[in-house]
Amino acid sequence: SQQGEEDPQALSIQEGENATMNCSYKTSINNLQWYRQNSGRGLVHLILIRSNEREKHSGRLRVTLDTSKKSSSLLITASRAADTASYFCATENNAGNMLTFGGGTRLMVKP
Amino acid sequence: DAGITQSPRHKVTETGTPVTLRCHQTENHRYMYWYRQDPGHGLRLIHYSYGVKDTDKGEVSDGYSVSRSKTEDFLLTLESATSSQTSVYFCAISDRERKLFFGSGTQLSVL
Repeated sequence: SQQGEEDPQALSIQEGENATMNCSYKTSINNLQWYRQNSGRGLVHLILIRSNEREKHSGRLRVTLDTSKKSSSLLITASRAADTASYFCATENNAGNMLTFGGGTRLMVKP
Repeated sequence: DAGITQSPRHKVTETGTPVTLRCHQTENHRYMYWYRQDPGHGLRLIHYSYGVKDTDKGEVSDGYSVSRSKTEDFLLTLESATSSQTSVYFCAISDRERKLFFGSGTQLSVL
């Protein structure tokens, strides 16, 4: 079973709008990471948030982490057509030797 | 792609034949991983390595074996391929911050 579950599974928005994706997980973690995957390519790391952090920013990306609810959200502001991709959350276990991925959110940004 | 290459990029094989996928890194990272990606399942960890000759099982290790005789190479072997092993296989390495860097993937079809 997957540790992380993304919601929604698919999201379609217009260019310039904000996109929010959510991730829920089941067990305690060291950190939570978000990755992006363009069609037919490998995953690319976007941002890492540690279990003792609550919010992190990177350019147009904002990630929040609520360990009490075992959930995280990824916000992409002012979206662009080039942001069209699948986005995955991944959680690192406490042993620090395994990263478990969710099923992903497919984001489409229409020009 | 962060100094990580996978070969072959595409492979078509028949049920019951052995298949070996290769992952090569030039980053000298200790940890290497093999994942498979299937629709509806996200990425699932098959095996990982934490050093030369040090490997461990992941979530979906049945039917797969791995070997790491050198820091830079991590091999994934399907001893007797089955149709359920048709998938896209990704190799990844992790840096000291536990971020993963992925190869471009191998599309394997077992007929």
